[in-house]
Amino acid sequence: DTEVTQTPKHLVMGMTNKKSLKCEQHMGHRAMYWYKQKAKKPPELMFVYSYEKLSINESVPSRFSPECPNSSLLNLHLHALQPEDSALYLCASSQGQGARTGELFFGEGSRLTVL
Amino acid sequence: QKEVEQNSGPLSVPEGAIASLNCTYSDRGSQSFFWYRQYSGKSPELIMSIYSNGDKEDGRFTAQLNKASQYVSLLIRDSQPSDSATYLCAVNPDRGSTLGRLYFGRGTQLTVWP
Repeated sequence: DTEVTQTPKHLVMGMTNKKSLKCEQHMGHRAMYWYKQKAKKPPELMFVYSYEKLSINESVPSRFSPECPNSSLLNLHLHALQPEDSALYLCASSQGQGARTGELFFGEGSRLTVL
Repeated sequence: QKEVEQNSGPLSVPEGAIASLNCTYSDRGSQSFFWYRQYSGKSPELIMSIYSNGDKEDGRFTAQLNKASQYVSLLIRDSQPSDSATYLCAVNPDRGSTLGRLYFGRGTQLTVWP
């Protein structure tokens, strides 16, 4: 069982819809991440939260809006997406200290389809 | 630009053989290196991390790091069909950072046939 839980596992939405992806971790990690992965491509970093504050935004379009309500939860709010935004969205967490910050624990992902 | 390059695949080896996966990176100051395994349709899973030059062994897996050559490799001994997956090399170029900002290579697809 993964210790990083993502919901929903699958989401289909129209370009005018508003939806949210949710992520929860129970490992006491202080850094949480959103990655986007398209088919046959490596994961691409979108956002990093460290100690509940947004630390990195990799020039992500504003139609993606992250939120970190507390150290265990991470949301990604979606609005006015485009079909090319269809992808697997991966949440991850890590210790947030020292070199082991790169030891990411990924959730199972939310597969998003934009019609 | 932070680049992580992996040897082109796919790689196919017979069961019991050694699989060798290679990775080079462009940022000479990078300090942390990782190998993730990703089964088809699943999320990446960390299998090895390495931070200093030399070899690091964990079971059937050995990671090798050569910072002078900017080269990381993963050896899988006694390969099993269950090792069939895409292997992603990842580099954290941020020195002294508390953030796990990783740059991933494109991955090498490994198939182990019985």
